[in-house]
Amino acid sequence: EAQVTQNPRYLITVTGKKLTVTCSQNMNHEYMSWYRQDPGLGLRQIYYSMNVEVTDKGDVPEGYKVSRKEKRNFPLILESPSPNQTSLYFCASSRDRDYGYTFGSGTRLTVV
Amino acid sequence: GNSVTQMEGPVTLSEEAFLTINCTYTATGYPSLFWYVQYPGEGLQLLLKATKADDKGSNKGFEATYRKETTSFHLEKGSVQVSDSAVYFCAQGRRDTDKLIFGTGTRLQVFP
Repeated sequence: EAQVTQNPRYLITVTGKKLTVTCSQNMNHEYMSWYRQDPGLGLRQIYYSMNVEVTDKGDVPEGYKVSRKEKRNFPLILESPSPNQTSLYFCASSRDRDYGYTFGSGTRLTVV
Repeated sequence: GNSVTQMEGPVTLSEEAFLTINCTYTATGYPSLFWYVQYPGEGLQLLLKATKADDKGSNKGFEATYRKETTSFHLEKGSVQVSDSAVYFCAQGRRDTDKLIFGTGTRLQVFP
């Protein structure tokens, strides 16, 4: 089944404790992105990648890091999480810009 | 800058009613336009898309037409079902980057 897999689905952590949210796609898509969803703000792009070793900042990159060492994986790293990063996070991948994204099921992160 | 504006919800309808969810956009150039749907507890799913002016996207009884003259991409369905209850997001895709710009979402509630 073609899909984007994120892990974990739920995570509660403490301020300052480094964490990684994994994302993997099995569709051989070149484009991958991370979004966060917050009430009243919709979805905002954090980082995106157009190919292996090519990443760029989205609208809200502060406090996040990404890497794209392999085509299928695009992990999101929070080096020192803070409470304002409490959110619902989505990873997505796409074949090309006009094709539309396939989204993962989401990771609900709470930072206390 | 580029943006997407959706009507605020919730939209509350009875089963078999006609649905319109308004979406307008501002953009430089000619973006691709998308509608995504998010069912409770799930990620976003691509519902339909249009990549150029006057294109009509359709899927599962939903339709939307890319109107360049009014910069709109309104979502319509002739007869909604309870199972259509979800949050609907309008989005535009920039051709120069991999960025999807989302509206804030419109919640649809359909009652029997």
